[in-house]
Amino acid sequence: AQSVTQLDSHVSVSEGTPVLLRCNYSSSYSPSLFWYVQHPNKGLQLLLKYTSAATLVKGINGFEAEFKKSETSFHLTKPSAHMSDAAEYFCVVSETRGSGDKLTFGTGTRLAVRP
Amino acid sequence: DVKVTQSSRYLVKRTGEKVFLECVQDMDHENMFWYRQDPGLGLRLIYFSYDVKMKEKGDIPEGYSVSREKKERFSLILESASTNQTSMYLCAISRGDTVPSYNEQFFGPGTRLTVL
Repeated sequence: AQSVTQLDSHVSVSEGTPVLLRCNYSSSYSPSLFWYVQHPNKGLQLLLKYTSAATLVKGINGFEAEFKKSETSFHLTKPSAHMSDAAEYFCVVSETRGSGDKLTFGTGTRLAVRP
Repeated sequence: DVKVTQSSRYLVKRTGEKVFLECVQDMDHENMFWYRQDPGLGLRLIYFSYDVKMKEKGDIPEGYSVSREKKERFSLILESASTNQTSMYLCAISRGDTVPSYNEQFFGPGTRLTVL
């Protein structure tokens, strides 16, 4: 069975400082991993995905994540936070079940950005 | 652009009512999903479908059923709504490839359902 743990439910940073959102996963197989973002009153949008190619994955809006198998981690980072980054972020692990894929979501990390 | 539409953004129903939530896609994707989102719990899978008239239970199917008569449309049905089904409901779609790397899911805007 697969699972995802997001280690912080809330993170607050100042604008212009680095962002680190932590995620650990558990999977029986080689996982696919994703980060999704949800802005207030909007649908979920894919930020980036890891699919067993390069371990450092670059996504949209300057975000990136590094897959570390030895640590079973997939932390999301950004060098410099912007006010528009304030949102909820979900770490997600994927496995294929039957003919369909199944995503398991973390409980989310709410990022606040202070001026 | 991928388009996943849901029939309502906000819905208020009474306990015991039958509720239909509809999801329509324009991408010709095989897989469609229904999730509910609750604070502190993330998204939890209710049902999914990988083909017309096919369905599989997700993690929390109790109290729900689904219907997929056409490829582009996937309906979630609450046979007798209860207050603990007050939640945000999200529909998602993905391609039908068996390789997980292709199975990025695209989400609709959500329906916030309140059951009184």
